[in-house]
Amino acid sequence: NAGVTQTPKFQVLKTGQSMTLQCAQDMNHNSMYWYRQDPGMGLRLIYYSASEGTTDKGEVPNGYNVSRLNKREFSLRLESAAPSQTSVYFCASSEMAVSNQPQHFGDGTRLSIL
Amino acid sequence: AQKVTQAQTEISVVEKEDVTLDCVYETRDTTYYLFWYKQPPSGELVFLIRRNSFDEQNEISGRYSWNFQKSTSSFNFTITASQVVDSAVYFCALRGPFQGAQKLVFGQGTRLTINP
Repeated sequence: NAGVTQTPKFQVLKTGQSMTLQCAQDMNHNSMYWYRQDPGMGLRLIYYSASEGTTDKGEVPNGYNVSRLNKREFSLRLESAAPSQTSVYFCASSEMAVSNQPQHFGDGTRLSIL
Repeated sequence: AQKVTQAQTEISVVEKEDVTLDCVYETRDTTYYLFWYKQPPSGELVFLIRRNSFDEQNEISGRYSWNFQKSTSSFNFTITASQVVDSAVYFCALRGPFQGAQKLVFGQGTRLTINP
C-alpha cells in the first residue's frame, strides 16, 4: 500500500545543473500536484495536473516544468537549478471527481542547490 | 483570493497540557473545504481531518478536537492531554468548490513542541 512515492529522497545539485523529480501514485487518482515547502511559508503549489494529459501553473511555477507521463506518474523538472530552488518538494494526488477528498502526499524530496 | 493564516508560529507546552492551534481563513466561496495536516519530524504530511463549509458541527477524535466557526472564519484544532508524540508542525489548508484539480492553499504552519 505505497500511496505516493517520490524519488529521490535527497539530492544536492550545483547551480545550473538540471534534474527531474519523479512521483508515482498507485491510488488511481486523477489529479496530481507538486508543492514546495520553505521555512515559514507553508506549502506552495508549483504545478498541478487535473487529469492525464493536462497540466497547469500554480502559485510559483517559474524555473520548473512538469510532465504528466500517464495517470500514475507526474514529474517535475528543474532545467537550470538555482540556489533559490533549495527546498523540500512534495508530490500529492487526489481523486478529482469528489471535491472534498483530501490530497495524499509523498514523503518529500529534500533538494539543495549549491 | 483564498488565504489561510496560522498566527502561531511556534508553541511549546509541557506534556499533558491542552493546546489549541488557531487557523483563520479567507475565501469568497460559499462552499469550501478545510483540512488539517500533521508533519512529524520525519517529514511526511499526514491528513488529520476534513470539514465542509456547510457542516459546522465540531468533531472529536480521541484527544483531538476541531472547532469550526463560519462566523469568525476559524477552524481551530485542540489537543487534549498532549503527548510528546504530538510534537510536529501542523498545517491548516483550504480548498474551493470547483471540480477538476483541487488545489490546496496552506497556512504557514504551527510548530508544536511537547516537552516531557
